[in-house]
Amino acid sequence: GAVVSQHPSRVICKSGTSVKIECRSLDFQATTMFWYRQFPKKSLMLMATSNEGSKATYEQGVEKDKFLINHASLTLSTLTVTSAHPEDSSFYICSARGGGNTVGNTIYFGEGSWLTVV
Amino acid sequence: GQNIDQPTEMTATEGAIVQINCTYQTSGFNGLFWYQQHAGEAPTFLSYNVLDGLEEKGRFSSFLSRSKGYSYLLLKELQMKDSASYLCAVPNYGGATNKLIFGTGTLLAVQP
Repeated sequence: GAVVSQHPSRVICKSGTSVKIECRSLDFQATTMFWYRQFPKKSLMLMATSNEGSKATYEQGVEKDKFLINHASLTLSTLTVTSAHPEDSSFYICSARGGGNTVGNTIYFGEGSWLTVV
Repeated sequence: GQNIDQPTEMTATEGAIVQINCTYQTSGFNGLFWYQQHAGEAPTFLSYNVLDGLEEKGRFSSFLSRSKGYSYLLLKELQMKDSASYLCAVPNYGGATNKLIFGTGTLLAVQP
């Protein structure tokens, strides 16, 4: 089946620095990818929709200048957390829809990235 | 807009059957997903229902009633490894994109 890979799986950064998380679709082209954030014991919160070749679409309440999303190719989207603060510490997960016309199980998730800001 | 409701937590006994309910309100309907998520891991796909009725897949079954805005996930012969969060989600399709909107998730604890 299709695979979505995220990197890094875990990252620790200092407060005030920026960190980039990559999301790659390994065997299919994803014109759209999605970035989610999850706090401990909470559900996934959609942050933004990453569109290949155009600007990302952010959900209400998500700071676009803080969470920079770039979808440079059909297989790669990146999320950059800028000027990170401890409250940005969270589990970040990307997802992408595989090819074909059926929905079914064709939405694939990356493994997730744990960000800890110290 | 969309609204998805699930119980926050449930407890069940190993070997038993448990039903996790999900009610939803959506503007338009494009099916309903169930995902399993173990602590610290990404969600994994369990089922997708777009038509009314029950779909069985091994120990897991999922039911949908579109007229009632209701779905449930049925887990049989519970095993300890089934302890996880179960997320109900509906896609919100808009143009060429599709967003998956998740419910709060139900944390299932399976006890010996």
